[in-house]
Amino acid sequence: DIQMTQSPSSLSASVGDRVTITCRASQSISSYLNWYQQKPGKAPKLLIYGASSLQSGVPSRFSGSGSGTDFTLTISSLQPEDFATYYCQENYSNLFTFGGGTKVEIK
Amino acid sequence: QLQLQESGPGLVKPSETLSLTCTVSGGSISSSSYYWGWIRQPPGKGLEWIGSIYYSGSTYYNPSLKSRVTISADTSKNQFSLKLSSVTAADTAVYYCARRPSGRGYGMDVWGQGTTVTVSS
Repeated sequence: DIQMTQSPSSLSASVGDRVTITCRASQSISSYLNWYQQKPGKAPKLLIYGASSLQSGVPSRFSGSGSGTDFTLTISSLQPEDFATYYCQENYSNLFTFGGGTKVEIK
Repeated sequence: QLQLQESGPGLVKPSETLSLTCTVSGGSISSSSYYWGWIRQPPGKGLEWIGSIYYSGSTYYNPSLKSRVTISADTSKNQFSLKLSSVTAADTAVYYCARRPSGRGYGMDVWGQGTTVTVSS
């Protein structure tokens, strides 16, 4: 099975900061990588699919990159509404394994 | 506007079967363009994909749960359902239903609000 490892597990940042979250797959998954944002008590929200395609309605400050085993989610200028937990997910294996999550907190 | 709504008992006894339904409005589960699936999240933990169903009736399950999971669809009611048998406390979680466009490379783009299921006697 493919394992998805996110780093860091949490981070503290200020409004306006550039934030980067990393996701590593245990084997190559090509570009079959999605990113989600989850706020407390809410369902996850799809941000990025296919490693770098922005889901409709998602602000352009969110971007994704990578292929193979290493991927990044970047928030170019952190906004107050971006404080949340972010998950990567592979859909290469049809098991749709999620990473452990990265919690972005206010510094 | 597509909406998904989970429903079912919030409390299930150990060894019994958890049954949940996802009602879809604003779209048809009979569309060949989408898969319909279940994902769960134990308290304070991450997300786990449980399984999916396609309009053809084909089902796909997480191997770790496959022996206990059944996902089915009722197209007349535009609903799909999850049954998880022989539950234990480890199955306590928020259960979400979600849609995923067919074809590789797409994420789960519409989610229900989630329903909390507690396994306890």
